[in-house]
Amino acid sequence: GAGVSQSPSNKVTEKGKDVELRCDPISGHTALYWYRQSLGQGLEFLIYFQGNSAPDKSGLPSDRFSAERTGGSVSTLTIQRTQQEDSAVYLCASSSVAGLGTDTQYFGPGTRLTVL
Amino acid sequence: QKEVEQNSGPLSVPEGAIASLNCTYSDRVSQSFFWYRQYSGKSPELIMSIYSNGDKEDGRFTAQLNKASQYVSLLIRDSQPSDSATYLCAASNRDDKIIFGKGTRLHILP
Repeated sequence: GAGVSQSPSNKVTEKGKDVELRCDPISGHTALYWYRQSLGQGLEFLIYFQGNSAPDKSGLPSDRFSAERTGGSVSTLTIQRTQQEDSAVYLCASSSVAGLGTDTQYFGPGTRLTVL
Repeated sequence: QKEVEQNSGPLSVPEGAIASLNCTYSDRVSQSFFWYRQYSGKSPELIMSIYSNGDKEDGRFTAQLNKASQYVSLLIRDSQPSDSATYLCAASNRDDKIIFGKGTRLHILP
């Protein structure tokens, strides 16, 4: 597809379970971001991957959160031992970083996570 | 100072009037600037990007960048009820990382 895709679109899990959220960025985009957005709130930055550089993990809220990006493409966000406060929409975005005019972020549709 | 700051609103504007959305930024972000629109329950979508001082117009939207004063604004002319949304300002830093503000809620009054 031409855009950023995320799966699943909805995930309901029980407290204490682990979940994996997937993001497929736009082909050729070297930068990939994960955000979290609670209802009525702004975007909360989680992690940023840029090419082969070490990821910027400064936004991860706890060590229960981790993310990886394999082969510079697909990314997986893993939340271990989920808590009710993890319930939110998780958004992925990608961008090209090839100079001014190419660094626009494009967002996926998000994964709505509900922890019961 | 936060890297990108916006008034959270809500900003209420009568239909047909000009809506003016403002954003200030710190020295830590200085390269590219963006305005995104987010409807409730949807993902953000890009409206405008601007890279140099001055105005950039696209239809009813005009982005204004003033690097000396470190602000970027978005004007929406002939506001429509469909313009009611949250508007997110964003800027990139030297590491090409894009930083978002918290967003301004805009409500166009019919």
